[in-house]
Amino acid sequence: GESVGLHLPTLSVQEGDNSIINCAYSNSASDYFIWYKQESGKGPQFIIDIRSNMDKRQGQRVTVLLNKTVKHLSLQIAATQPGDSAVYFCAERNYGGSQGNLIFGKGTKLSVKP
Amino acid sequence: NAGVTQTPKFQVLKTGQSMTLQCAQDMNHNSMYWYRQDPGMGLRLIYYSASEGTTDKGEVPNGYNVSRLNKREFSLRLESAAPSQTSVYFCASGGGFGDNEQFFGPGTRLTVL
Repeated sequence: GESVGLHLPTLSVQEGDNSIINCAYSNSASDYFIWYKQESGKGPQFIIDIRSNMDKRQGQRVTVLLNKTVKHLSLQIAATQPGDSAVYFCAERNYGGSQGNLIFGKGTKLSVKP
Repeated sequence: NAGVTQTPKFQVLKTGQSMTLQCAQDMNHNSMYWYRQDPGMGLRLIYYSASEGTTDKGEVPNGYNVSRLNKREFSLRLESAAPSQTSVYFCASGGGFGDNEQFFGPGTRLTVL
């Protein structure tokens, strides 16, 4: 899920398939991990969060998995729809430092083919 | 309920000009934030305000100032714009301690020539 230079990693999936978006985070002390969705021309929108003492959390059509051993976070979207096309950002939060502000990753672009 | 509103939506400045980006929220949130987003990048925090009357620097504060005018409004000022400040600026509210959800405005696309 991390970008290189100006080009976002892109995930292209067929409508109806499941999508898995990955993210590597940097701070093993982070308390929470959060996923945001940003549609073209809009501000980011909160999807789901997970506390660091959990390894899985489910929402509506989305599941977030956390692997603290390798500092890896993933967002799974079930039955991907055209409306899921967007850039997805992971973010981490450490209440013990930086006033608990969010640190965003660089994003992954999800493209859904009809 | 408008959520978070930002003005203007677009702005073109010449190097050295100044301007203020306005942000307002109607959700009664204590915390407000200013981010910048550059192509292919995530959001970087410029300044934040944990509550009315307080402001603090984020990751990239140089070249910017902020004012928390009241609980609803949080403005970002560029005193002397530089081409490196060409970016999309997002204001957000919410996401205070114990709350991971921030609500973002639609953004201001700023170009500095």
